[in-house]
Amino acid sequence: DQQVKQNSPSLSVQEGRISILNCDYTNSMFDYFLWYKKYPAEGPTFLISISSIKDKNEDGRFTVFLNKSAKHLSLHIVPSQPGDSAVYFCAAGTGANNLFFGTGTRLTVIP
Amino acid sequence: KAGVTQTPRYLIKTRGQQVTLSCSPISGHRSVSWYQQTPGQGLQFLFEYFSETQRNKGNFPGRFSGRQFSNSRSEMNVSTLELGDSALYLCASRDSVSTGELFFGEGSRLTVL
Repeated sequence: DQQVKQNSPSLSVQEGRISILNCDYTNSMFDYFLWYKKYPAEGPTFLISISSIKDKNEDGRFTVFLNKSAKHLSLHIVPSQPGDSAVYFCAAGTGANNLFFGTGTRLTVIP
Repeated sequence: KAGVTQTPRYLIKTRGQQVTLSCSPISGHRSVSWYQQTPGQGLQFLFEYFSETQRNKGNFPGRFSGRQFSNSRSEMNVSTLELGDSALYLCASRDSVSTGELFFGEGSRLTVL
C-alpha cells in the first residue's frame, strides 16, 4: 500500500526553466512533508520540508507547495541547473514516526 | 560531525545465505532507521530503533531483523536470502526530538545470486 505516490518516474527540463515535481499522498494524518535528492552511489540528502500548517515554503531556488485538500505537494525548482539532475523523493510522516517515501522522480536538466 | 557510515558498501551473496549490514549514526543521534530501495519501489521502510528498542516496523517478513547497541550503532540481518532481496539498503539517523529530517548513509548494495 503506497501511501506516498510520485506518478512521474522521469522529467526532462531545459536549463534555466522551471522544474515541477509532483507528489500525492493518501493518509490525511500526515503532518509534515519533505523532499530528498539522491545522486547515484550516494544516500538521499534532505532538500526542503513543509509542515501541514503551511501551504508554501521557500529556500532559494526551491519552493514546496502543499495542497492539503487535494493531498498533493509539489517541488518547484527555478531556475533549473544541470547540477539539479538527480532522483527526487518526496516523503511524509506523522509526528516523530517513520517517514513514508514515494518511488522517486528522475529529473534531467538539459544544458 | 561525521556522517552516517554504512558497511559494507557492496556485497554479493547466494540464495539461502544470510547477511549482516552495519550502520553507525551521526554522533548524538539515537534513532536509526533502515530502508530498502529497489527500482520502481522507492524507499521501503524496514524498521526504526531508538535506545536499543524497535520503535516502528515496516511490512517485511521475519527474515529481516535488526538491533541497536548501546552506542546507537545498528545492524540489520537478512536470513535465507532470496533473489528479490537484491537492493540498496539505506540506514538513516535523526535527532530523536525532531519530527523530520533523516540523515542517510551511502547505503549497502546487496546482490543475491
